[in-house]
This record gives sequence, structure tokens and C-alpha cells, in this order.
Amino acid sequence: QKEVEQNSGPLSVPEGAIASLNCTYSDRGSQSFFWYRQYSGKSPELIMFIYSNGDKEDGRFTAQLNKASQYVSLLIRDSQPSDSATYLCAVNYGDYKLSFGAGTTVTVRA
Amino acid sequence: GAVVSQHPSWVICKSGTSVKIECRSLDFQATTMFWYRQFPKQSLMLMATSNEGSKATYEQGVEKDKFLINHASLTLSTLTVTSAHPEDSSFYICSARDLGGGSANYGYTFGSGTRLTVV
Repeated sequence: QKEVEQNSGPLSVPEGAIASLNCTYSDRGSQSFFWYRQYSGKSPELIMFIYSNGDKEDGRFTAQLNKASQYVSLLIRDSQPSDSATYLCAVNYGDYKLSFGAGTTVTVRA
Repeated sequence: GAVVSQHPSWVICKSGTSVKIECRSLDFQATTMFWYRQFPKQSLMLMATSNEGSKATYEQGVEKDKFLINHASLTLSTLTVTSAHPEDSSFYICSARDLGGGSANYGYTFGSGTRLTVV
């Protein structure tokens, strides 16, 4: 599996603040990038995917991709207590496989 | 939207016995099924990839004789953990990729996971 590194957590932010999550990947050939949210004991749920350089916004979430730097990030604006979860970065490689990062646990303080 | 039904959601078994986990795609045809394992506080690790009607491809370090995968139809894939031992206790998750690719989730739909505890 290809390497996917995420910034170590846990990350604690106050309600209403911006949470910033970072991810780097090793395979220059990767074309698709995903952010998943995983609650304890549950399977991952997709937040966003991105495959073009630049920003992609969906509600309070913004994904940023820089293929030259092999870097993808996720911003969560106006963080809510319900956003408290582990966020997984996943990168697509060969034959539609996904390689996951170790995850960053986010806690939003009310 | 696309749904993958995974059963059982949790299972406890005795050491040395076998356990079968099923994943069914309910409203689409899954050309490819991925099986992951997740240990506590760790990320998902891909175990194997299966395509309908062909043998599964296992990731390095995964014992194919211990983790038997069958993908006999476009809607059903099973993972059997044979001769389970306590170190096999983990959270097993399947993920299906549908023929159309899917726009909502870019073609990957995850099952709800199976918590396996071997005692």
C-alpha cells in the first residue's frame, strides 16, 4: 500500500472555529483523494473527494489539493460538536484501491 | 443511494473456529469488493481485492489461506476467517465499487463493519 501521512492529533478546537487537517501522500501517480469521517465503532463516511488542483467547497468543508507538493488538506469551518470524530485521508492508487492515513481525531469543545 | 449491507455487525467466536462475514450490494452491482481490517486506534488496512468470478488478490502479509474471500456474484462477497485466533480480533469492513462509478461517493460504498472478537 502507498504511504499516506496525516498530521498527528488529537486536534481540539472551540465551537465555531476552523479545524485544519493535513495529509501528504507518496505516490505521484495518484489521481483521486478523499476525506472520510469515522465515528468510534462505525465505518467511514465520505465527506468529500477531490481530483483537481485547487479548492473544492461543500458547505462548511473545503478540500485543497496540490499535486506538485503531494498535499491535500481539509478545512472545517464553524466547527460543531457533532464534527468531533476521526478524519481519514484516503488516496487512490492502481486498480481503484484506496490507501488510508492513520487519521486525525478532532474534538470540538462546546 | 448505493447501499452495502454487511453482516453480522458483531460476532464473538472461540479460538480455532471459523467466522463468515457477508457483504451484499443492495441496489447496484459491485464489480469490485475491497476488504479492510482496522485495529483499535489505527487506520483501515486493505487486506484484499476481489472481482466477481475471479480469485481475490491479497495484499502483502495477508494470509490467503486464513482469510478466504468469495465473490461469486455481482451482489455478494464473503470473507471467512478460518481457525480464528485472538490476534484476529478486529473491525472488518467491506467496500464495494459499482459499475457506474457513482457520483455521490465516487464509486466506493462502505459496509457498516463487523466487530470480531476471538476468545
